Amino acid sequence: LAKTTQPISMDSYEGQEVNITCSHNNIATNDYITWYQQFPSQGPRFIIQGYKTKVTNEVASLFIPADRKSSTLSLPRVSLSDTAVYYCLVGASLNDYKLSFGAGTTVTVRA
Amino acid sequence: SAVISQKPSRDICQRGTSLTIQCQVDSQVTMMFWYRQQPGQSLTLIATANQGSEATYESGFVIDKFPISRPNLTFSTLTVSNMSPEDSSIYLCSVEANGYTFGSGTRLTVV
Repeated sequence: LAKTTQPISMDSYEGQEVNITCSHNNIATNDYITWYQQFPSQGPRFIIQGYKTKVTNEVASLFIPADRKSSTLSLPRVSLSDTAVYYCLVGASLNDYKLSFGAGTTVTVRA
Repeated sequence: SAVISQKPSRDICQRGTSLTIQCQVDSQVTMMFWYRQQPGQSLTLIATANQGSEATYESGFVIDKFPISRPNLTFSTLTVSNMSPEDSSIYLCSVEANGYTFGSGTRLTVV
């Protein structure tokens, strides 16, 4: 699996947009980019997945440039409950059975 | 997505003893996975458990220390054997069913 690099932590305030960029310079042609969210005392939860350009769902948006060597998870108008660790994973499809988690980004939202 | 029930949610154990963690899924799944998350760290895959075959262990994990059972398509157990304080971690099971779902984890403290 392609190695990923994310910021260790990010701070934000309620109502702001949070953008987390993940670098994956060695991404393979058939690799997808998937983001997970983990709250304390819970297992990771799928947020969003994409292959190229832009994907949006009810929770977040995922921006992927043409070279696919990075991706940005965008969380619009965060609230205190969005405080969590966010993991960027790269692998061949949603069902790439060997999920390889990097260090993740701890996002702290303050009032 | 699948719903996972993982037990126990937490335990405090004496060194040298063993703990068996159970993972029950509400639907039949081919693959089940066991992860370890050490304090303040990311998730590390321990092994992949398929029904009807022996579990496949990742580098650094061995069957004698982490025996796994997979008696049917909805259930698996992970045993942490001959525990030491270094085994204090959160252990999570995960399944692949239209995406990955994780249990809420078992927080193990070895004293």
